[in-house]
Amino acid sequence: GQNIDQPTEMTATEGAIVQINCTYQTSGFNGLFWYQQHAGEAPTFLSYNVLDGLEEKGRFSSFLSRSKGYSYLLLKELQMKDSASYLCAVRIKAAGNKLTFGGGTRVLVKP
Amino acid sequence: GAVVSQHPSWVICKSGTSVKIECRSLDFQATTMFWYRQFPKQSLMLMATSNEGSKATYEQGVEKDKFLINHASLTLSTLTVTSAHPEDSSFYICSARVRATNEKLFFGSGTQLSVL
Repeated sequence: GQNIDQPTEMTATEGAIVQINCTYQTSGFNGLFWYQQHAGEAPTFLSYNVLDGLEEKGRFSSFLSRSKGYSYLLLKELQMKDSASYLCAVRIKAAGNKLTFGGGTRVLVKP
Repeated sequence: GAVVSQHPSWVICKSGTSVKIECRSLDFQATTMFWYRQFPKQSLMLMATSNEGSKATYEQGVEKDKFLINHASLTLSTLTVTSAHPEDSSFYICSARVRATNEKLFFGSGTQLSVL
């Protein structure tokens, strides 16, 4: 089976930086995704990593280390609208490339 | 990006009734759709994988006779919650996988089901 862990909650100040870690234990790894989800809404795609390294996209960056089974999502210049849940999801090739989601990290941005 | 339309957005029903949720891909063909369930403050739990023209593949612990999935066309998948009970109250989300986009998922807007 798969085991995906991420912190339950994080609090940060507007304008600051927050790093959300995700660790996974799985076989047949075939990519890691980060999604943002506001309460009562569907998740929206943020980033995708399949090779080791950092992917930067505006204020959001995502890092992957396959050997360590570790990823992080970095949010810079936090804005109030960034308050949301952030979901780490791992794609498993042997399972038809379906995504398995972690428990999600609720980020609260304070003024 | 690809658009996935899900209806209804919310539904309230009496215990014992059935509820159908539709998921449509508006500007692409979705050979595979996924149905997730999400309880409050929890993450998405995959219920089943829906393949066009074939039977759905259900995750362990999901009752296939209770959650009927039909994927009759390349743009439409439906989830029917049969004989709903209060414990079925949840947020149901469909998603479609688009090829040639690193196969990332595009999600519908979700359906909040409340069973009285």
